[in-house]
This record gives sequence, structure tokens and C-alpha cells, in this order.
Amino acid sequence: GENVEQHPSTLSVQEGDSAVIKCTYSDSASNYFPWYKQELGKGPQLIIDIRSNVGEKKDQRIAVTLNKTAKHFSLHITETQPEDSAVYFCAASIGTGTASKLTFGTGTRLQVTL
Amino acid sequence: DGGITQSPKYLFRKEGQNVTLSCEQNLNHDAMYWYRQDPGQGLRLIYYSQIVNDFQKGDIAEGYSVSREKKESFPLAVTSAQKNPTAFYLCASTMRYDNQPQHFGDGTRLSIL
Repeated sequence: GENVEQHPSTLSVQEGDSAVIKCTYSDSASNYFPWYKQELGKGPQLIIDIRSNVGEKKDQRIAVTLNKTAKHFSLHITETQPEDSAVYFCAASIGTGTASKLTFGTGTRLQVTL
Repeated sequence: DGGITQSPKYLFRKEGQNVTLSCEQNLNHDAMYWYRQDPGQGLRLIYYSQIVNDFQKGDIAEGYSVSREKKESFPLAVTSAQKNPTAFYLCASTMRYDNQPQHFGDGTRLSIL
């Protein structure tokens, strides 16, 4: 089955700096890659996703890039703010014509310091 | 407001006791999922259901059971066969099409007394 590795496990940046989180996946058939943000005691919230027919997607301060050849994708957060502090999860799935099963990475705890 | 409601927020189980976690959604989604989250680990899939009266085992189904009698509801039973049930349990739902985002509830934290 699919395996997703995520790095780093913790990341500390100063407010205003950029943060990058990287994930690799094992199954070349994977074609959907969402990113989730989870705050303490809450469920994960989708922040951005990308499909395999696109190499990059941006939404304000957040961007995701996908390299299908290398089987890795990355989350980029620019101009970080204290409210960006949370745990971030990447995931991958293989579309089969029905609702997909996601395989998650192990998470990155991002701390934005003042 | 549309969303996913999980209850209770906190649940305590005695040894040998079966407990049921509730998940209700009003998003009109066909597919629903149950995940388990342990510290330092990603979300692991327990069970999922594509349509009413149908469900499949995920990666860690042993000691758990589910039912899907209504589109809106997907309860998870944690049985006494699950020897290490202490975890954060998350329910999600999505439309029944290729690669649509999953929407999550705010979880139930289950602990052993």
C-alpha cells in the first residue's frame, strides 16, 4: 500500500520567516495530495490540496508544489504568523472513481516565535 | 451550519467495557471514515463507508466495529477486544467522487480508567 513520509517532525521559525514541510510518497499511482492543519484538541482542517495534473498551487501565503517524477510534494508558508503555529499533515490518495482513502504523513509541529 | 459533530468530546472506558463513539454529519456526504490518532503518529484508518449499509475495514480494524444505517450517521464501537484503545478518534466525510476533500469533526478522546 501507499506510504507517506513527512519531514521535519518539528519546525521552529521566527515570525515573518518562511516555513517548508516536505513529504514523499511511494505509490506512483497517487494523484491527490491534501494538506491539513490541526490545532490542539481540534480535528484537522484542509488548508490546500493539489492534484497530479498540476505542479504548483498557491492560496495567499500558502503554496504547494508537486514533483511526480521524484514522488514528493511540499508545503510552503510565507510571512509566518503566530496563528500558523499548529501541527500540519500531508496525505496522498489514489483516485479509484469513488471516495478516496487517504494515507497520512506523521505530522510536523510548526512553532512560530515572536 | 453544515458540519460533522462527534460526541462525546471525552470518554472514559473501564477494562472490558464496550463503548460507542458518535459521528453525525449534515453535509449530505455519502462517504464517511473513522481514524485513530496517537501521539507522534499520523491518522490511521479504522473503517470507512462509501454508502448506507456498506462499510470496509481500514488498516487497523481489529477490536472495532461500525454500522451505517443512515447516511448522516456512522457510529464506532470500541470493543473489549481492542486492548489499547486510548487515543484521539476522528470522524470524516466526503462526497463520493474521486479525490474530494475529507472534512473532519473535532474528535473524541478516549481514555482507560
